[in-house]
Amino acid sequence: IAGITQAPTSQILAAGRRMTLRCTQDMRHNAMYWYRQDLGLGLRLIHYSNTAGTTGKGEVPDGYSVSRANTDDFPLTLASAVPSQTSVYFCASSDSGQGRTEAFFGQGTRLTVV
Amino acid sequence: KNEVEQSPQNLTAQEGEFITINCSYSVGISALHWLQQHPGGGIVSLFMLSSGKKKHGRLIATINIQEKHSSLHITASHPRDSAVYICAVRYRGGADGLTFGKGTHLIIQP
Repeated sequence: IAGITQAPTSQILAAGRRMTLRCTQDMRHNAMYWYRQDLGLGLRLIHYSNTAGTTGKGEVPDGYSVSRANTDDFPLTLASAVPSQTSVYFCASSDSGQGRTEAFFGQGTRLTVV
Repeated sequence: KNEVEQSPQNLTAQEGEFITINCSYSVGISALHWLQQHPGGGIVSLFMLSSGKKKHGRLIATINIQEKHSSLHITASHPRDSAVYICAVRYRGGADGLTFGKGTHLIIQP
């Protein structure tokens, strides 16, 4: 693994189903983020975690949950998917120290809810 | 709501032209990022700025903290520079994470 890895790359999901998007980083970054990217709206923050064991809500958290059991992994769960959650999801990480590093992004997960 | 505005939204230019993309934001920030996204591709960080100017190859990024404005310049543009360029800021004192502009879609024609 080099950088950030997301899985799956793409998924078609029936409405009402539960889905977990996986994100793993090997850079030992403290901070991790989930964003969704929608045409005309750009990227928006869903949830974040500044360090293992803590999480916070971003701009569009409804319908999503996250956990941060360790430094490397930051899964995003859709408990009951709805069509409005069709989007491209990006996981990102950065060093959460005082001199924050640039942001590193995963390759994205394209999710279609039908 | 804290806004990040980019201009232009779309830009088509000829190979070799000097390109400028602008970004303005509304309140104090701790850092500004310029990102690049190729069609269907991932997002790559080009620069992180908190003051002044940075240069990497043909790319130059500047920021004016007082005017709350940043520019990304591309010298001697090439078709491989065609991509979406996204400005993002980390606000001081706000929720964590980045706030993004909607992106500038750049096409460089041979």
